[in-house]
Amino acid sequence: QVQLQQWGAGLLKPSETLSLTCAVYGGSFSNYYWSWIRQPPGRGLEWIGEINHSGSTNYNPSLKSRVTISVDTSKNQFSLKLSSVTASDTAVYYCARVFDLYSGYDYFYFDYWGHGTLVTVSS
Amino acid sequence: DIQMTQSPSSLSASVGDRVTITCRASQSISSYLNWYQQKKGKAPKSLISAASNVQSGVPSRFSGSGSGTEFTLTISSLQPEDFATYYCQQSYNTPYTFGQGTKLEIK
Repeated sequence: QVQLQQWGAGLLKPSETLSLTCAVYGGSFSNYYWSWIRQPPGRGLEWIGEINHSGSTNYNPSLKSRVTISVDTSKNQFSLKLSSVTASDTAVYYCARVFDLYSGYDYFYFDYWGHGTLVTVSS
Repeated sequence: DIQMTQSPSSLSASVGDRVTITCRASQSISSYLNWYQQKKGKAPKSLISAASNVQSGVPSRFSGSGSGTEFTLTISSLQPEDFATYYCQQSYNTPYTFGQGTKLEIK
């Protein structure tokens, strides 16, 4: 059974850098893309970006200038850094696995999710 | 970015009702459409991928249909555990985008 365990600082001041890590237990790490998704309180879901085991990334253009996603294959972990945070970055941040339903046909969906980490930005 | 619009935004229904939620894409996305269920304080759970493929373990009362720009999620007979918020999401291209959600409440 695949499990995603995530952690990181939950309270930041404006202009600081958000840093979260997600560890993957069970299943293959190398055969997938791994994503970060966030959800502001009471609002919908926003995809932040993704990375694969070789470090290839895709980012949401709306956040690209501030986002870095990295991977540590020796630990089956991937991480998110979001710089220069403001109150609008307050959200629950989720890590998730990107699964290709029909391998090679790019029918991607998020099949396993972390439990979520609430990050609050406040002075 | 591809915009995803769900309707309705909220819905009141009773146990046993048949419910349909609609998701529209701002451009054709073929069948690259997924549905998730989210309960309060929990991570979303995948229900349906590729528009109509029901995930293993998801009750058969859930079904999905559509292609191109219009999609539907149908719950054939609502159960108490189905009251939650539902999101559609396109995986046609990045950035992956979600609908704003449909909150399904008990009447």
